[in-house]
Amino acid sequence: GAVVSQHPSRVICKSGTSVKIECRSLDFQATTMFWYRQFPKQSLMLMATSNEGSKATYEQGVEKDKFLINHASLTLSTLTVTSAHPEDSSFYICSAESRSGGYNEQFFGPGTRLTVL
Amino acid sequence: QKEVEQNSGPLSVPEGAIASLNCTYSDRGSQSFFWYRQYSGKSPELIMFIYSNGDKEDGRFTAQLNKASQYVSLLIRDSQPSDSATYLCAVNQDSGYSTLTFGKGTMLLVSP
Repeated sequence: GAVVSQHPSRVICKSGTSVKIECRSLDFQATTMFWYRQFPKQSLMLMATSNEGSKATYEQGVEKDKFLINHASLTLSTLTVTSAHPEDSSFYICSAESRSGGYNEQFFGPGTRLTVL
Repeated sequence: QKEVEQNSGPLSVPEGAIASLNCTYSDRGSQSFFWYRQYSGKSPELIMFIYSNGDKEDGRFTAQLNKASQYVSLLIRDSQPSDSATYLCAVNQDSGYSTLTFGKGTMLLVSP
């Protein structure tokens, strides 16, 4: 159980275009999902926390108008990178929170590698 | 500033040896602690979590937590080449949103 999928797994786009990444919890409902970004040889950096039915909470330094997050249902959150530029090229990973036995666990999706030309 | 510190490594051990990975954290209010394994180009996968002081064992893995000293460690017994990966320590303040703060990870290399 606790499987999280992401789509697409890899995307290459031209500078100035927008890219949408989907994150789905396949076998559980996730009130909260998280979006991370990871540059080569760096750790995961939390970008935003996404709660179903409400606005996302962005971390300091993350532009909310550039990284649009929509958490429309308990199993789906989307991240749209608007007007992407080469510096946005990174590995984007989502996670979904599952509560079990009173404790929260995060399960990660397989990630989306974005390359902006 | 909540910080999670890990030695970046690489930590090199021979096959069959015990690998010891360490992590310290700055926030005394931290409640839960996680170890993730990340292979190159892949997303992290959860290995273990620990909430209480002491040891927690799961197969070849043992997590150790000492809240007084603010450190958590992961021991891997009988290390295998397939254990070669980056190990991420993550700390949760359990503030309702369960935000994880990650360390930068320790690269482990297990040589045959």
